[in-house]
Parts: sequence; structure tokens; C-alpha cells
Amino acid sequence: GNSVTQMEGPVTLSEEAFLTINCTYTATGYPSLFWYVQYPGEGLQLLLKATKADDKGSNKGFEATYRKETTSFHLEKGSVQVSDSAVYFCALSSGAGSYQLTFGKGTKLSVIP
Amino acid sequence: NAGVTQTPKFRILKIGQSMTLQCAQDMNHNYMYWYRQDPGMGLKLIYYSVGAGITDKGEVPNGYNVSRSTTEDFPLRLELAAPSQTSVYFCASSYLQGSQPQHFGDGTRLSIL
Repeated sequence: GNSVTQMEGPVTLSEEAFLTINCTYTATGYPSLFWYVQYPGEGLQLLLKATKADDKGSNKGFEATYRKETTSFHLEKGSVQVSDSAVYFCALSSGAGSYQLTFGKGTKLSVIP
Repeated sequence: NAGVTQTPKFRILKIGQSMTLQCAQDMNHNYMYWYRQDPGMGLKLIYYSVGAGITDKGEVPNGYNVSRSTTEDFPLRLELAAPSQTSVYFCASSYLQGSQPQHFGDGTRLSIL
């Protein structure tokens, strides 16, 4: 079956530090990959996505590249801000006909001034 | 544009009670989903619907029921509440399945005591 493994948190960084959150996956076929962000007390919001190998998703300074050879979709940001403090979820959908998103367990990021 | 609206935001139930979690979307999405989120875990799919009158089980359907009489509404029913159903419940919707992102509500925090 499908599975997503992401680095465990919590992660605490100083403002302007570089962020990497690792995500690897197991899936059949050609999955679509997503990063969702959950701010305190809110639902999940789509941060970025990639639908095929070598695609790079980007949004709000965050980036992730779909690496089929390493089955990875690591999230990066060059300079984090306090407002980036949230829980980040990596997820996959195994393609057309798939109704289910498979989520990682989430990584809590805290950015301190 | 309200997106996905969930009510109530918080609820405490006694064991054996029943209740309905409401979910409505105004984006004319055909696909709707119910997830539960337990501490330190990703989201697990409970039920999903591909259109009015059509529903199907997800990964963890036991103890829940759903109906979909309109495109907009997708209520989740707990018939005999159990402590294991203490969780945060999220409703989501999407235009298509697969590579299309899901849009989430803000969640319902439910405690069974």
C-alpha cells in the first residue's frame, strides 16, 4: 500500500535559518505529491504540489522537487520567518481514480525570533 | 467565498451519545471527504463521496455513517460515541480526485468522556 514518511519533529529554528523537512514515499503507479500546512487552530491548507517526476512545486518561498529515483519530496525554504511556525504534512495521491490522500505524521516547526 | 464550513467547532459527548458533524462547501465540488486527526498522526480517511447519493468507506469507517443528499452537504454521524472516537475531524472537498488538491475546513474537536 501507499505510505509517507516524514522527519519527526518538533523542529525549532531561528528566524532566517534554512529549513529542510524530509519526506519519502512508497506508492504504486505515478502519484501526485503535496505539502500541506496547518496553522494553530486551523484546517490544512495546500502549500504546494507536484504531479510528475522532476516537477518543482513552489509557494511563499517554499520549494519541493518530485524525485522519483529517490522517492522523495523534501520541503525547503531559504529563510524562515516566525509566521512559518506551523505543522507541515507531506501527502500523496496515487493518481487518477484515487480518492484517498495518504498523509505523513506531520512535522511541527517553531521559528523563534 | 466561505469554502468548507464545519460545525460545531468543539463538542463534548458522553459515551453512548450520538451526534452529527456538519460539513458544507460552496465551491460546487463533487468530491467530499471526512478525515480524523489523532495527536502525532497524520489524517486518516473515514468516508468519502464522489457526488450526491454516492458514498464509500475509507480507511477507518467503523462507528461512523455518512449521507450525501446534496452537492453542498456531507454530514458525518456518530451513533454510539466511544472514547476511541475522541479526535479532531476534518471535512474536505475537491473538484476532481487524484492530482487535484483538497480544500479543508477548520475542523471539529470532539471529546468523548
